[in-house]
Amino acid sequence: GAGVSQSPSNKVTEKGKDVELRCDPISGHTALYWYRQSLGQGLEFLIYFQGNSAPDKSGLPSDRFSAERTGGSVSTLTIQRTQQEDSAVYLCASSQRTGRYGYTFGSGTRLTVV
Amino acid sequence: GENVEQHPSTLSVQEGDSAVIKCTYSDSASNYFPWYKQELGKGPQLIIDIRSNVGEKKDQRIAVTLNKTAKHFSLHITETQPEDSAVYFCAARIEGYGGSQGNLIFGKGTKLSVKP
Repeated sequence: GAGVSQSPSNKVTEKGKDVELRCDPISGHTALYWYRQSLGQGLEFLIYFQGNSAPDKSGLPSDRFSAERTGGSVSTLTIQRTQQEDSAVYLCASSQRTGRYGYTFGSGTRLTVV
Repeated sequence: GENVEQHPSTLSVQEGDSAVIKCTYSDSASNYFPWYKQELGKGPQLIIDIRSNVGEKKDQRIAVTLNKTAKHFSLHITETQPEDSAVYFCAARIEGYGGSQGNLIFGKGTKLSVKP
């Protein structure tokens, strides 16, 4: 596609429920990143996929968070047993392997845990 | 690991004035420094970037400067316009040989307001 597509754009869930957030990167982009943006805060790195290499999971805040990338394209971020502190905007970005042109971000998924 | 500090957190200027946002980084191995603009309800968009082999880069009304010795880089916006109002993020990353890369580490952002 022309840009990075994220779905849903908004998600309200009850505390304790699991949620799945989807990211469809730009075709041909081998690198995919997930970031979290809490209200008034910067962008917190979560996880990074590069081609077929093992993902860099060093930013995941707890074992309730996981992500996968199927076929080197679409990625799903899963949050299990959601907590109120998980409320944030979850941003996905993709880039070419060299990253020479920087990241292209999607518009994000706004997650609200009630 | 890398840590990026950004100042100020908010900045208000009159239309036509200049705006300067400053960032410092901690890892001297970082060599790629992009700036992103985030408008309300949208994802951040890359507006300009600089690599450590240059000290300054300009693109129309925006410019970025880099001081490797001080581990400091800045965004300069001249002749500001109301449409420049947004949140601006700086970031840093280590780019390896052949273009291999790690993840970007972002500052906490600066909310710029340009008053007509």
